[in-house]
Amino acid sequence: EAQVTQNPRYLITVTGKKLTVTCSQNMNHEYMSWYRQDPGLGLRQIYYSMNVEVTDKGDVPEGYKVSRKEKRNFPLILESPSPNQTSLYFCASSLFGAGANVLTFGAGSRLTVL
Amino acid sequence: AQSVTQPDIHITVSEGASLELRCNYSYGATPYLFWYVQSPGQGLQLLLKYFSGDTLVQGIKGFEAEFKRSQSSFNLRKPSVHWSDAAEYFCAVGPRGGYNKLIFGAGTRLAVHP
Repeated sequence: EAQVTQNPRYLITVTGKKLTVTCSQNMNHEYMSWYRQDPGLGLRQIYYSMNVEVTDKGDVPEGYKVSRKEKRNFPLILESPSPNQTSLYFCASSLFGAGANVLTFGAGSRLTVL
Repeated sequence: AQSVTQPDIHITVSEGASLELRCNYSYGATPYLFWYVQSPGQGLQLLLKYFSGDTLVQGIKGFEAEFKRSQSSFNLRKPSVHWSDAAEYFCAVGPRGGYNKLIFGAGTRLAVHP
């Protein structure tokens, strides 16, 4: 089944404890992206990747890192999480870019930082 | 600046009633237009999209949307709502010629009364 898989789905952590949210897609998509969803703000892009080894900042990149060493994986790294990073996170992918191509979303990862 | 406005944060309708969710965008040229639905605890699923051509587009689950260039709008409609349609709905735009992200509205949460 074609899908985007995120882990963990739920996580409670404490301020400053590094964590990684994994994202993997099995559709051979070139483009991958991370969004965060907050009430009243919709989805805001954190980082995106047009291809392997090519990543760039989205609208809200502060406090996050990403890497794209393989086409299928695009992990989101929070080096020192803070409470304002408590949010629902979505990974998405598409064949080539976001615009004319439909995004396939993961099921989401709900993160709470205490 | 590019933006997407969904004026209604919450909408409640009775089962069997008609539904219209509003979406307005601000962009220099007609972008690609999308409606996504997020059911509780799940990721976003594409309902329909508009790229060009017929301004009335049909989607899944009986939804349709109409693109009106003069009003910069892309409203979502359904003639008869089912209880399973209760979810959050997001309008999104993808700039033509830009491939890095979709811009999402803040979302409209739909409740359906029996």
